[in-house]
Amino acid sequence: ETGVTQSPTHLIKTRGQQVTLRCSSQSGHNTVSWYQQALGQGPQFIFQYYREEENGRGNFPPRFSGLQFPNYSSELNVNALELDDSALYLCASSLRPTSYEQYFGPGTRLTVT
Amino acid sequence: SQQGEEDPQALSIQEGENATMNCSYKTSINNLQWYRQNSGRGLVHLILIRSNEREKHSGRLRVTLDTSKKSSSLLITASRAADTASYFCATDGGQAGTALIFGKGTTLSVSS
Repeated sequence: ETGVTQSPTHLIKTRGQQVTLRCSSQSGHNTVSWYQQALGQGPQFIFQYYREEENGRGNFPPRFSGLQFPNYSSELNVNALELDDSALYLCASSLRPTSYEQYFGPGTRLTVT
Repeated sequence: SQQGEEDPQALSIQEGENATMNCSYKTSINNLQWYRQNSGRGLVHLILIRSNEREKHSGRLRVTLDTSKKSSSLLITASRAADTASYFCATDGGQAGTALIFGKGTTLSVSS
């Protein structure tokens, strides 16, 4: 069984640029959620994708967008990067949207300068 | 916004001692979960307790839930250096699936 993987591990971008983060879900999982974790804080929910459709969104602006592919892998795109977007971005997969337990990847550390 | 608040924010103990962390939350829940995070990496699921349960055990972990006080505690018995990590409680806000709502976490340091 393959766990959740994320790429890249680290990324440095300049304010105003755009970034794409990638996530491969655990085998057999059709639901992917994305979280942002600022330093010293708990993860905050960005959005969830199920069967290639957005299935819930947290309090994040539209410049945070996502995609889910037929193989259930997912991308998180952030446009017009701001300094406050510097954070650890975590992807989590689950068997289905109503599953309680989520399996997290190792995260992508994004630094915006 | 954060749903839960963990207490204490930081905890330092010696190997072999017990560690207790508390979590309070604001809304009704279907369940509450505890996760561990090592060195700012991915979160590992530890245990889930449903709203109709009061206590649950898993190995050296013991979780209690008091829905009347909207609070939970995580007890790690006989701590080891490998338990050094941040611990987060997470709730579903009363809605199955979708978002987990995390607290700010407790940073546990276990020294040998």
